[in-house]
Amino acid sequence: AQKVTQAQTEISVVEKEDVTLDCVYETRDTTYYLFWYKQPPSGELVFLIRRNSFDEQNEISGRYSWNFQKSTSSFNFTITASQVVDSAVYFCALSEARGNQGGKLIFGQGTELSVKP
Amino acid sequence: EAQVTQNPRYLITVTGKKLTVTCSQNMNHEYMSWYRQDPGLGLRQIYYSMNVEVTDKGDVPEGYKVSRKEKRNFPLILESPSPNQTSLYFCASSFLNDRETQYFGPGTRLLVL
Repeated sequence: AQKVTQAQTEISVVEKEDVTLDCVYETRDTTYYLFWYKQPPSGELVFLIRRNSFDEQNEISGRYSWNFQKSTSSFNFTITASQVVDSAVYFCALSEARGNQGGKLIFGQGTELSVKP
Repeated sequence: EAQVTQNPRYLITVTGKKLTVTCSQNMNHEYMSWYRQDPGLGLRQIYYSMNVEVTDKGDVPEGYKVSRKEKRNFPLILESPSPNQTSLYFCASSFLNDRETQYFGPGTRLLVL
């Protein structure tokens, strides 16, 4: 069965600190997709990144970076020089590539990040 | 503007009073689904639809119904809401051949008293 675990329920940092949000996943599929979403206090889901299982290249987007390691089934998210606006709940998610369940996103429990000034 | 809309955005109701949360998308997407979000559990899929008149259960379908009479609409129906259905609900849509790119609605906060 597919599963996503975000062991950190809450993280609190001071502005300008770097912070890493952990995500560990389980799947028997060889083809799958991994995602990160941000949920600010207003409640909407903001898509951050999608990675397919064949692309282990790390990605950097401004202050955000993602480390995908199939060997440890992890897809961790790092925010460099955090800012107060980064305060949100962050979700990691996994989906199968195809089949009847293709399209269903399996979400982790979420990590609430609080960045204090 | 391409979007998924949900109505209402906020709803307070009482146990047993039937309600419908609407979801509409203007992107001609075949695939639509509903999720509920609960603290400590993340989001879980309730129902999904691969096209008009084709719907199927997700992981937590109990107490919900859906219909897909038109491609753009995918309403979520709670025939007899109970307090354990108090949650944040999200609708999502995508093309059937690109289910990795999903668009989420803004969410509906439901409180059942």
